[in-house]
Amino acid sequence: AQSVTQLDSQVPVFEEAPVELRCNYSSSVSVYLFWYVQYPNQGLQLLLKYLSGSTLVESINGFEAEFNKSQTSFHLRKPSVHISDTAEYFCAVKDGNKLVFGAGTILRVKS
Amino acid sequence: GAGVSQSPSNKVTEKGKDVELRCDPISGHTALYWYRQSLGQGLEFLIYFQGNSAPDKSGLPSDRFSAERTGGSVSTLTIQRTQQEDSAVYLCASSLGQVRLMGYTFGSGTRLTVV
Repeated sequence: AQSVTQLDSQVPVFEEAPVELRCNYSSSVSVYLFWYVQYPNQGLQLLLKYLSGSTLVESINGFEAEFNKSQTSFHLRKPSVHISDTAEYFCAVKDGNKLVFGAGTILRVKS
Repeated sequence: GAGVSQSPSNKVTEKGKDVELRCDPISGHTALYWYRQSLGQGLEFLIYFQGNSAPDKSGLPSDRFSAERTGGSVSTLTIQRTQQEDSAVYLCASSLGQVRLMGYTFGSGTRLTVV
């Protein structure tokens, strides 16, 4: 079975600073990876996904994630965060017909 | 509908009572999933429906939990004889086609509190 590990439960960062949220997956065989975001009091929304091809995937709000097969990682990055990026971020991997999620990382952006 | 709809949004119930949680997926989405989100626990998979059948119900934590889907659309998650450890946010998601391509669309969840 596939699994993902999010090493950081909380990441505090100042506004306009860069941030990296870490995610490691368990297997390199036919890996499909996703990042979801959950803003306060809202449902989960798809942020970006890696299916194949280019190892760098981007979202519309400035986040990007890089698929690294040798390190079995899919870390999420943003060069400059905003207060509005405060949310919980979940990494997920396809396992059979479902997605398996990590425990989540709470990103707290401070002014 | 335009999105995945879940009802009720909040439910407080007494220990030992039965509860039913409802999910209306996006029209035409053949796949439907239930997850449970507990504080600090991430998302725990419960059950997956393809049409009206459930090929994967491996995540249901006990026989007190059951789910059904009718007409390839609405799904109901039933918890019998609720316990305090059942308190969580129950999330429903639906998907059109293969999950590896589409990912999920989530509902806003039902927050269940067992007192």
